[in-house]
Amino acid sequence: QSALTQPASVSGSPGQSITISCTGTSSDIGTFSYVSWYHQRPGKAPKLMIFDVNKRPSGVSDRFSGSKSGNTASLTISGLQAEDEADYYCCSYTRSNTWVFGGGTKVTVL
Amino acid sequence: EVQLVESGGGLLQPGGSLRLSCAASGITVSNNYMSWVRQTPGKGLEWVSVIYTGGSTFYAESVTGRFTISRDNSKNTLFLQMNSLRVEDTAVYYCARSPYSGSGSYGFDSWGQGTLVTVSS
Repeated sequence: QSALTQPASVSGSPGQSITISCTGTSSDIGTFSYVSWYHQRPGKAPKLMIFDVNKRPSGVSDRFSGSKSGNTASLTISGLQAEDEADYYCCSYTRSNTWVFGGGTKVTVL
Repeated sequence: EVQLVESGGGLLQPGGSLRLSCAASGITVSNNYMSWVRQTPGKGLEWVSVIYTGGSTFYAESVTGRFTISRDNSKNTLFLQMNSLRVEDTAVYYCARSPYSGSGSYGFDSWGQGTLVTVSS
């Protein structure tokens, strides 16, 4: 199972919106609506930001939203803030009853 | 509050074995999909293994045949037995919970703090 494909880095200015793409295959993102997104700061455990493509756990800001089209999922961060600077990972359930992560995207707030 | 606490990491030589533990509180391990996820220092996340509520287990290709996931319901603890360790298995190993229904669904909504496994000669 190959890793999902994410851009290595995305940047934006405070207040702007950015979108991170996550491309998989028909064996994972294309088949299931079990796409999740994680935020991780150095030395910390990942934190779930989005599950089931576009649902937010309690406590996660509504500035974070998710979507999916075909084999590609996306995470959009609106109203970018300095605290959003971190690594972001997508993840999908697969036809093999396993999970696969993306390679991660470093978000920089300019 | 859900708490997952990993232990058992350490430094060992290639070919060695190690057993990681993940003690859970606030949840019942057997009622959740429990996974191990690892992260090579400075690199990305890699899903390693899962044990489903019914006891079925699945593994990433990179560890199949070498790692075994299990749980002890009486101790509410998840394990990962790692054999024939390789240098490329060096990583921080996290246990993580998927509630599979409700909030979180098939996402990993709870994580431990991780335990470092270093394989080096």
